[in-house]
Amino acid sequence: DSGVTQTPKHLITATGQRVTLRCSPRSGDLSVYWYQQSLDQGLQFLIQYYNGEERAKGNILERFSAQQFPDLHSELNLSSLELGDSALYFCASSVSSGGASDTQYFGPGTRLTVL
Amino acid sequence: AQSVTQPDIHITVSEGASLELRCNYSYGATPYLFWYVQSPGQGLQLLLKYFSGDTLVQGIKGFEAEFKRSQSSFNLRKPSVHWSDAAEYFCAVGPTGTASKLTFGTGTRLQVTL
Repeated sequence: DSGVTQTPKHLITATGQRVTLRCSPRSGDLSVYWYQQSLDQGLQFLIQYYNGEERAKGNILERFSAQQFPDLHSELNLSSLELGDSALYFCASSVSSGGASDTQYFGPGTRLTVL
Repeated sequence: AQSVTQPDIHITVSEGASLELRCNYSYGATPYLFWYVQSPGQGLQLLLKYFSGDTLVQGIKGFEAEFKRSQSSFNLRKPSVHWSDAAEYFCAVGPTGTASKLTFGTGTRLQVTL
């Protein structure tokens, strides 16, 4: 158990809908990262928040957004869902904002299925 | 841009046999390298990491990896595989400086036969 929690574990929804994925980082970690794992794209970095502020952005679609709250938990919002958004979404956390010693610990993931 | 290549999509080994999973990276400076394992239906668990110093790194579950700058490689090894090692293994590079993201390889699926 990494100490990173994600809810829900599974999510099934329809095209055009909007969903929210939630992540609680390890105690003491200030950074939260979101990754998407799909069969065709592999593991892709989406976005990072550090202590409530957006720190880095990857291949995140405009239909997707995220935020980190004062208690440091994070939410990833996915809207206007398409079939291709079906994937496993991971959250990771680390102590600081990046750098050599800043190891990322991953949660169990949320499996999103868009029908 | 940094990148990681795992040339083997799928590897099958017998229980008790030795294992080596290949990882090649592309990065302009000294990379920070990681191996993660993903068991079926599970998240990613960190096996080991290399930042600097000794090029032979020991990890959990009896795994080790060797950083070879001349070959741009960071191969994962285990002397004797157990059936419970069957999983998908990912090599990753980063984060470095202000680039916080991890860049992952495509993964190698390990099957262990009894």
